[in-house]
Amino acid sequence: GAGVSQSPRYKVAKRGQDVALRCDPISGHVSLFWYQQALGQGPEFLTYFQNEAQLDKSGLPSDRFFAERPEGSVSTLKIQRTQQEDSAVYLCASTLEGRGTDTQYFGPGTRLTVL
Amino acid sequence: QKEVEQNSGPLSVPEGAIASLNCTYSDRGSQSFFWYRQYSGKSPELIMFIYSNGDKEDGRFTAQLNKASQYVSLLIRDSQPSDSATYLCAVNKGSGGYNKLIFGAGTRLAVHP
Repeated sequence: GAGVSQSPRYKVAKRGQDVALRCDPISGHVSLFWYQQALGQGPEFLTYFQNEAQLDKSGLPSDRFFAERPEGSVSTLKIQRTQQEDSAVYLCASTLEGRGTDTQYFGPGTRLTVL
Repeated sequence: QKEVEQNSGPLSVPEGAIASLNCTYSDRGSQSFFWYRQYSGKSPELIMFIYSNGDKEDGRFTAQLNKASQYVSLLIRDSQPSDSATYLCAVNKGSGGYNKLIFGAGTRLAVHP
């Protein structure tokens, strides 16, 4: 596709439910990032993949958060037993390679609301 | 202290004026810096990055970096109403060559006709 796509665009979950958020990066992009953006805040880094390898998961807030990219393209961010504080926009970004000045192209995000 | 600090604004400027957006960072070892624009309800898009002290110009935008003062700024010349958005400053904290971006909370810019 032309850009990064994410689905669903909106997700409402009851507290305690599990959710799965999908990211389709730009075709051929090696690096993939997940961010969490709370209302009125900047994006916060969650995790980074280079191809299928998860090289940095230092930003995942708890063990309820899990991300995977098994074939080095599509990635899924899973949140188990959702809590109200998980309500945020989850952004995915990809870059062609893994260099420090590569442009990160962001997807439209998934807005998660936990009731 | 947050790693990246920005004034939340809103910064209100008249059309045609210069908008000056500022950002400070705490890690003196930071090497590269990014400015993103985010329209309400949309995803961030890169305006420009800078990693050398001094100025870097791209069209109406100029990024300025002062590593001694740990200060990055973005100037927007001839501001237009379409520039009204939140401007996010980000610092690269990746140690493995990748962009682990740490963002500030953003400054909201309003350009009025």
